[in-house]
Amino acid sequence: DARVTQTPRDKVTEMGQEVTMRCQPILGHNTVFWYRQTMMQGLELLAYFRNRAPLDDSGMPKDRFSAEMPDATLATLKIQPSEPRDSAVYFCASGLVQIQETQYFGPGTRLLVL
Amino acid sequence: SQQGEEDPQALSIQEGENATMNCSYKTSINNLQWYRQNSGRGLVHLILIRSNEREKHSGRLRVTLDTSKKSSSLLITASRAADTASYFCATGNNDMRFGAGTRLTVKP
Repeated sequence: DARVTQTPRDKVTEMGQEVTMRCQPILGHNTVFWYRQTMMQGLELLAYFRNRAPLDDSGMPKDRFSAEMPDATLATLKIQPSEPRDSAVYFCASGLVQIQETQYFGPGTRLLVL
Repeated sequence: SQQGEEDPQALSIQEGENATMNCSYKTSINNLQWYRQNSGRGLVHLILIRSNEREKHSGRLRVTLDTSKKSSSLLITASRAADTASYFCATGNNDMRFGAGTRLTVKP
Protein backbone atom coordinates (compact mmCIF):
# COMPACT_ATOMS: atom_id res chain seq x y z
CA ASP A 1 0.00 0.00 0.00
CA ALA A 2 2.00 2.97 -1.28
CA ARG A 3 1.77 6.08 0.87
CA VAL A 4 3.44 9.41 1.30
CA THR A 5 5.28 9.50 4.60
CA GLN A 6 6.23 12.55 6.59
CA THR A 7 8.48 13.01 9.57
CA PRO A 8 8.23 14.15 12.22
CA ARG A 9 4.50 13.92 12.82
CA ASP A 10 4.66 16.50 15.58
CA LYS A 11 7.25 19.11 16.36
CA VAL A 12 7.36 21.63 19.17
CA THR A 13 10.19 24.12 19.08
CA GLU A 14 11.14 27.52 20.31
CA MET A 15 11.22 30.66 18.25
CA GLY A 16 14.49 31.05 16.41
CA GLN A 17 15.23 27.36 16.12
CA GLU A 18 15.68 25.57 12.81
CA VAL A 19 12.98 23.14 11.78
CA THR A 20 13.39 20.48 9.12
CA MET A 21 10.46 18.47 7.84
CA ARG A 22 10.92 15.46 5.62
CA CYS A 23 8.72 13.78 3.09
CA GLN A 24 9.08 10.53 1.22
CA PRO A 25 6.88 10.62 -1.88
CA ILE A 26 5.28 7.54 -3.35
CA LEU A 27 7.87 5.63 -5.35
CA GLY A 28 7.65 6.57 -9.00
CA HIS A 29 5.82 9.84 -8.47
CA ASN A 30 7.58 12.73 -10.15
CA THR A 31 5.79 15.72 -8.60
CA VAL A 32 6.03 16.76 -4.97
CA PHE A 33 4.08 19.51 -3.27
CA TRP A 34 4.39 21.26 0.08
CA TYR A 35 1.31 22.80 1.66
CA ARG A 36 0.67 24.64 4.90
CA GLN A 37 -2.70 24.54 6.60
CA THR A 38 -3.93 26.92 9.28
CA MET A 39 -7.37 27.82 10.51
CA MET A 40 -6.99 31.37 9.31
CA GLN A 41 -5.44 30.83 5.88
CA GLY A 42 -6.68 27.38 5.01
CA LEU A 43 -4.54 25.23 2.73
CA GLU A 44 -1.74 27.16 1.06
CA LEU A 45 0.59 25.85 -1.61
CA LEU A 46 4.16 26.65 -0.59
CA ALA A 47 6.20 24.98 -3.30
CA TYR A 48 6.21 22.16 -5.77
CA PHE A 49 8.74 20.12 -7.67
CA ARG A 50 8.65 18.14 -10.85
CA ASN A 51 11.39 15.61 -11.49
CA ARG A 52 13.17 17.09 -8.44
CA ALA A 53 13.34 20.55 -10.00
CA PRO A 54 11.54 23.37 -8.20
CA LEU A 55 8.80 24.75 -10.43
CA ASP A 56 7.18 27.26 -8.15
CA ASP A 57 7.98 28.39 -4.65
CA SER A 58 6.20 31.71 -4.82
CA GLY A 59 3.98 30.75 -1.90
CA MET A 60 6.92 30.37 0.39
CA PRO A 61 8.51 33.12 2.52
CA LYS A 62 11.94 33.13 0.91
CA ASP A 63 13.82 34.69 3.76
CA ARG A 64 13.24 31.81 6.14
CA PHE A 65 11.85 28.87 4.19
CA SER A 66 13.66 26.57 1.82
CA ALA A 67 12.53 23.43 0.02
CA GLU A 68 14.75 20.87 -1.64
CA MET A 69 14.70 17.41 -3.15
CA PRO A 70 18.12 15.87 -2.54
CA ASP A 71 16.95 12.78 -4.39
CA ALA A 72 13.77 11.30 -5.81
CA THR A 73 12.86 9.65 -2.53
CA LEU A 74 13.24 12.63 -0.22
CA ALA A 75 11.84 16.14 -0.09
CA THR A 76 12.70 18.54 2.70
CA LEU A 77 11.15 21.77 3.95
CA LYS A 78 13.29 23.84 6.23
CA ILE A 79 12.43 26.88 8.33
CA GLN A 80 15.28 28.92 9.72
CA PRO A 81 14.71 30.76 11.98
CA SER A 82 11.24 29.63 12.97
CA GLU A 83 8.63 32.04 14.27
CA PRO A 84 5.37 31.51 16.16
CA ARG A 85 3.39 32.45 13.04
CA ASP A 86 4.86 29.39 11.32
CA SER A 87 2.79 27.17 13.60
CA ALA A 88 0.63 25.10 11.29
CA VAL A 89 0.22 21.65 9.81
CA TYR A 90 2.56 21.10 6.89
CA PHE A 91 1.49 18.57 4.27
CA CYS A 92 3.51 16.94 1.58
CA ALA A 93 1.77 15.45 -1.43
CA SER A 94 3.06 13.59 -4.46
CA GLY A 95 1.66 12.85 -7.88
CA LEU A 96 2.39 11.41 -11.28
CA VAL A 97 3.39 13.03 -14.54
CA GLN A 98 0.97 15.88 -15.10
CA ILE A 99 0.78 18.36 -12.29
CA GLN A 100 -2.95 18.67 -12.49
CA GLU A 101 -3.57 15.02 -11.81
CA THR A 102 -4.39 13.41 -8.49
CA GLN A 103 -2.27 14.29 -5.50
CA TYR A 104 -1.62 11.87 -2.67
CA PHE A 105 -1.19 13.52 0.68
CA GLY A 106 0.95 12.53 3.60
CA PRO A 107 -0.33 12.64 7.18
CA GLY A 108 1.23 16.03 7.83
CA THR A 109 3.69 17.49 10.32
CA ARG A 110 2.05 19.48 13.08
CA LEU A 111 4.43 22.30 13.98
CA LEU A 112 4.15 24.46 17.07
CA VAL A 113 6.63 27.28 17.49
CA LEU A 114 6.60 28.77 20.97
CA SER B 1 -3.56 31.77 -9.44
CA GLN B 2 -6.68 29.72 -9.72
CA GLN B 3 -8.56 28.71 -6.63
CA GLY B 4 -11.71 26.80 -5.96
CA GLU B 5 -14.12 28.31 -3.50
CA GLU B 6 -16.55 26.03 -1.75
CA ASP B 7 -20.02 26.83 -0.59
CA PRO B 8 -21.44 26.52 2.00
CA GLN B 9 -18.67 26.86 4.56
CA ALA B 10 -20.46 24.46 6.86
CA LEU B 11 -23.28 21.97 6.41
CA SER B 12 -25.01 19.86 9.02
CA ILE B 13 -27.42 17.07 8.06
CA GLN B 14 -28.93 13.90 9.44
CA GLU B 15 -27.66 10.48 8.48
CA GLY B 16 -29.43 9.25 5.37
CA GLU B 17 -29.92 12.69 3.88
CA ASN B 18 -28.10 13.93 0.82
CA ALA B 19 -25.36 16.54 1.07
CA THR B 20 -24.59 18.98 -1.71
CA MET B 21 -21.51 21.17 -1.81
CA ASN B 22 -20.65 23.68 -4.47
CA CYS B 23 -17.41 24.98 -5.86
CA SER B 24 -16.75 28.02 -8.00
CA TYR B 25 -13.54 28.89 -9.76
CA LYS B 26 -12.26 31.80 -11.76
CA THR B 27 -10.45 30.76 -14.91
CA SER B 28 -10.45 27.96 -17.45
CA ILE B 29 -9.45 24.54 -16.19
CA ASN B 30 -8.29 21.18 -17.47
CA ASN B 31 -9.93 19.35 -14.64
CA LEU B 32 -11.41 19.83 -11.20
CA GLN B 33 -10.87 17.56 -8.26
CA TRP B 34 -12.63 16.99 -4.96
CA TYR B 35 -10.82 15.94 -1.83
CA ARG B 36 -11.91 14.99 1.68
CA GLN B 37 -10.07 15.72 4.89
CA ASN B 38 -10.89 14.05 8.16
CA SER B 39 -9.92 15.99 11.24
CA GLY B 40 -6.19 15.86 11.82
CA ARG B 41 -5.47 13.92 8.66
CA GLY B 42 -4.15 14.59 5.18
CA LEU B 43 -6.44 15.14 2.24
CA VAL B 44 -7.75 12.16 0.35
CA HIS B 45 -8.62 12.34 -3.32
CA LEU B 46 -12.26 11.55 -4.05
CA ILE B 47 -12.91 12.21 -7.70
CA LEU B 48 -11.57 14.06 -10.73
CA ILE B 49 -13.75 15.46 -13.47
CA ARG B 50 -12.24 16.71 -16.70
CA SER B 51 -13.30 19.88 -18.44
CA ASN B 52 -15.03 17.95 -21.23
CA GLU B 53 -17.14 15.96 -18.77
CA ARG B 54 -20.42 17.17 -17.30
CA GLU B 55 -21.09 14.53 -14.70
CA LYS B 56 -19.24 11.75 -12.98
CA HIS B 57 -20.20 9.13 -10.43
CA SER B 58 -18.22 7.17 -7.89
CA GLY B 59 -20.22 5.09 -5.44
CA ARG B 60 -22.37 7.50 -3.44
CA LEU B 61 -20.61 10.51 -4.94
CA ARG B 62 -21.88 12.47 -7.88
CA VAL B 63 -19.94 15.39 -9.29
CA THR B 64 -21.16 17.82 -11.89
CA LEU B 65 -19.20 20.41 -13.77
CA ASP B 66 -20.53 23.45 -15.59
CA THR B 67 -17.65 25.15 -17.33
CA SER B 68 -19.88 27.94 -18.62
CA LYS B 69 -20.66 28.92 -15.05
CA LYS B 70 -17.25 27.92 -13.74
CA SER B 71 -18.84 25.82 -11.07
CA SER B 72 -18.98 22.27 -9.80
CA SER B 73 -21.06 20.44 -7.27
CA LEU B 74 -20.42 17.40 -5.14
CA LEU B 75 -23.40 15.36 -4.06
CA ILE B 76 -23.10 12.71 -1.39
CA THR B 77 -26.18 10.52 -1.32
CA ALA B 78 -27.47 8.60 1.68
CA SER B 79 -24.92 10.23 3.95
CA ARG B 80 -23.34 8.41 6.87
CA ALA B 81 -21.77 9.62 10.07
CA ALA B 82 -18.42 8.54 8.61
CA ASP B 83 -18.85 11.15 5.86
CA THR B 84 -18.26 13.85 8.47
CA ALA B 85 -15.21 15.71 7.18
CA SER B 86 -14.14 18.80 5.30
CA TYR B 87 -14.48 18.72 1.54
CA PHE B 88 -12.29 20.70 -0.81
CA CYS B 89 -12.34 21.35 -4.50
CA ALA B 90 -9.10 22.00 -6.31
CA THR B 91 -8.26 23.41 -9.70
CA GLY B 92 -5.08 24.28 -11.46
CA ASN B 93 -3.21 24.16 -14.68
CA ASN B 94 0.42 24.55 -13.71
CA ASP B 95 -0.28 24.19 -10.03
CA MET B 96 -3.22 23.28 -7.86
CA ARG B 97 -5.03 25.53 -5.44
CA PHE B 98 -7.55 24.54 -2.84
CA GLY B 99 -10.50 26.46 -1.50
CA ALA B 100 -11.36 26.93 2.15
CA GLY B 101 -13.50 23.82 2.16
CA THR B 102 -16.97 22.86 3.29
CA ARG B 103 -17.18 21.34 6.74
CA LEU B 104 -19.80 18.60 6.62
CA THR B 105 -21.30 17.16 9.78
CA VAL B 106 -23.53 14.12 9.48
CA LYS B 107 -25.46 13.45 12.65
CA PRO B 108 -26.30 9.84 13.48
